Amino acid sequence: QKEVEQNSGPLSVPEGAIASLNCTYSDRVSQSFFWYRQYSGKSPELIMSIYSNGDKEDGRFTAQLNKASQYVSLLIRDSQPSDSATYLCAVNLMNRDDKIIFGKGTRLHILP
Amino acid sequence: KAGVTQTPRYLIKTRGQQVTLSCSPISGHRSVSWYQQTPGQGLQFLFEYFSETQRNKGNFPGRFSGRQFSNSRSEMNVSTLELGDSALYLCASTLTGGTDTQYFGPGTRLTVL
Repeated sequence: QKEVEQNSGPLSVPEGAIASLNCTYSDRVSQSFFWYRQYSGKSPELIMSIYSNGDKEDGRFTAQLNKASQYVSLLIRDSQPSDSATYLCAVNLMNRDDKIIFGKGTRLHILP
Repeated sequence: KAGVTQTPRYLIKTRGQQVTLSCSPISGHRSVSWYQQTPGQGLQFLFEYFSETQRNKGNFPGRFSGRQFSNSRSEMNVSTLELGDSALYLCASTLTGGTDTQYFGPGTRLTVL
């Protein structure tokens, strides 16, 4: 199993719908989880961080964490064309000296 | 507050040459991490520096090295360049490192011919 795994996509979602992005990780004792957005040709920017099981909401974005299932997701409500980007999941892997490891990202395309 | 700056933004080198990339973190941030990003491998961790000491290292050959200065600015060096080193090199600064929020610079696009 890869350490941090994401579906590469592209994930196509109609404008106004909910986009759901998923990420699984291998280290059961990971404590910190991050979602970054990266536009083509730009550097990643942090959208959300989550540390506890459950949901964390910030505007149109909701991060969901389930440590028992080793699963973290990002929901984007009322998707806009400007949300079209690659979304990177990052996890601190405590079995890898606490490094932050990134998934390869999911390309999201919002259809106008 | 100024963001993370990286120089140069673009670089073209030939195989066998060496290259030095520079990163200036956000003022007050003491940790700098370096990443290599390629379409096939995604974002891969190279190393992290904190207070002029390498605190963590990824799985890259010894041709990749780095250092950090007392003002927290960091440089990374790649010697004996190979075609496969062509990538976007990103640095990220955090206050103290670890699992702090990382703020990425714009990156240096390295092309090896």
